[in-house]
Amino acid sequence: SQQGEEDPQALSIQEGENATMNCSYKTSINNLQWYRQNSGRGLVHLILIRSNEREKHSGRLRVTLDTSKKSSSLLITASRAADTASYFCATDRTSGSRLTFGEGTQLTVNP
Amino acid sequence: GAVVSQHPSWVICKSGTSVKIECRSLDFQATTMFWYRQFPKQSLMLMATSNEGSKATYEQGVEKDKFLINHASLTLSTLTVTSAHPEDSSFYICSAVAVRDTEAFFGQGTRLTVV
Repeated sequence: SQQGEEDPQALSIQEGENATMNCSYKTSINNLQWYRQNSGRGLVHLILIRSNEREKHSGRLRVTLDTSKKSSSLLITASRAADTASYFCATDRTSGSRLTFGEGTQLTVNP
Repeated sequence: GAVVSQHPSWVICKSGTSVKIECRSLDFQATTMFWYRQFPKQSLMLMATSNEGSKATYEQGVEKDKFLINHASLTLSTLTVTSAHPEDSSFYICSAVAVRDTEAFFGQGTRLTVV
């Protein structure tokens, strides 16, 4: 069963706005990763944050990790219509091991 | 980044037939590959972990005799859905992890439709 929960399940915003998605997990982790999936396609790796890191940036993406609360957030700034996709967090307990995925957030960015 | 190629990208088969899906790491050696299944509007569920040269480890509830996994080399793992039924229709995705690496690279996925 999936241990990760994400909220919101669906998010609709206007182009140019920021989008924030949250992810919670239940067990201790080694790494937390965020992936993007366009409809019916494979996964694209966005960013990885290690358990000893609290924040990480990559372009318009900002990820935070709070291990005390077992939660992470993904912020996409200045969103574009092309950002429309499903976003999943995934955790592993050791490097290179199986990933446990969250339920995902469907983001729609309206032009 | 590293490339994982999954083939075919989609397949339609008749009930009772078998379908083989290939997952190849094109520019790196993958000691471990993972097979996931994703139903519409749902998340990815791990089916099995495939290690080169050894038997796959299946998740609870996944029938190993129905979903045959072979990982004969460091660059290729195959998933064979045997005696497919309509309820096996799903999106199957593989991922590969390089030796001593952290990031998992995903294939493009295979859309299986059993009619």
